[in-house]
Formats: sequence, structure tokens, C-alpha cells
Amino acid sequence: DTAVSQTPKYLVTQMGNDKSIKCEQNLGHDTMYWYKQDSKKFLKIMFSYNNKELIINETVPNRFSPKSPDKAHLNLHINSLELGDSAVYFCASSRTSGGLTQYFGPGTRLTVL
Amino acid sequence: AQKVTQAQTEISVVEKEDVTLDCVYETRDTTYYLFWYKQPPSGELVFLIRRNSFDEQNEISGRYSWNFQKSTSSFNFTITASQVVDSAVYFCALSEAVTSYDKVIFGPGTSLSVIP
Repeated sequence: DTAVSQTPKYLVTQMGNDKSIKCEQNLGHDTMYWYKQDSKKFLKIMFSYNNKELIINETVPNRFSPKSPDKAHLNLHINSLELGDSAVYFCASSRTSGGLTQYFGPGTRLTVL
Repeated sequence: AQKVTQAQTEISVVEKEDVTLDCVYETRDTTYYLFWYKQPPSGELVFLIRRNSFDEQNEISGRYSWNFQKSTSSFNFTITASQVVDSAVYFCALSEAVTSYDKVIFGPGTSLSVIP
């Protein structure tokens, strides 16, 4: 059973398009996250949600909009994609907020042409 | 501000050698958590260990061991008798109470290659 899943695994698209990445966790966790890993493997948090409420919103362009329909799902929608958005995007979840371990999904490799 | 430094960008060792991955962190908080994650070539991020700032006991798990020293702000990771399957990028990470425990800051990672 997959604990944290993401779809799609690979996403190739043209500049200017809008795309979404979906994330689901079946761990019963309350908090979910989005991270971006660039080509140099540097990992940076983008957003976190706790029980569908936005907790962390790092300095991310407002073309990125997370949406949490329920606490098991956190989707990432990206408008007007740019070349610099090419990266691997990881979803993660933790039992609750407060320094608990975050468990990561398999990642979505986004390539913007 | 919180910061994690992993000075070793890449390390190569021959199988069965021991290897230590260094991690130095900066925080002004007295309450914080430290983590290690492994990212094998397949790309997923695998949790290895979590340690809170009040627990300086070293930990051993099979061939893996961790040395937490608050005096030097270090949380080093040693692999004993390395194996090819240990080849991966290893990330040290920190979260602190004062900013938000949810805001985990990752170090730049150390790429470990274990040569057969």
C-alpha cells in the first residue's frame, strides 16, 4: 500500500500552460506539504497545510496555488508555466504539525519546454 | 536563522569501508529537531532518523549510527561496512520551534558513491 502517492510521476509541458499535480496520503496524517527539488538536488519547502488550513507559504510565485479538498489530499496547481519551474516536486505528510517526521511521496518530475 | 551545512558534496568509498557524513546546523532556538533522509538513484526520499534537541544520545541502527553533539552543533551520520546499496544522496535537515516545526530546512546533501 502506497503511503503518499503523487500523480503524475512525469509531466512534460510547454511554457505558458497550466498544470496540476495531485497528492494523496493514506496514513491518516493531518499535515501535508509541497517541496521543490531543483536540478542541484536542493530541497525547499513551498507550502504546508494542516487540516486543510494553509500554515506555511514560502516566497513562492502566486502562479503556484495549493488546494486541499480534505486532509488526505493536497494538490498543486501551476499557472503560466515557466522554464524555471522545471524541477521535481515532492509531496509529504506528517501526523500533525510539531516537528514530527515527514514522509515523502515519490516525486513528480516536471519539465517545461 | 536556521541553516544546515553539509560540507561534503560528494564522497566515494570502496565497498566495506566505513564512511561518515558530516552535518553542521545553525539555530538560535533551544528546541529543535534534526533529521536524516536518504535519496537513492530511484529518486524517492527515505526517512532515516529524527532526533530532538534534548536527546543527545547517539543512535545505532544496524550499520548506521548517528552522533549528535550540541556543543559543536553537529549531527553526523556513519555507515559501517558500506555497501553498493548505500549509494545515494543523503540529506540532513532541521526544524525549530521558533519559526515553525513544519518548516524543515534541508542541507544541500552529500552524494555518496560506494564502489564495488
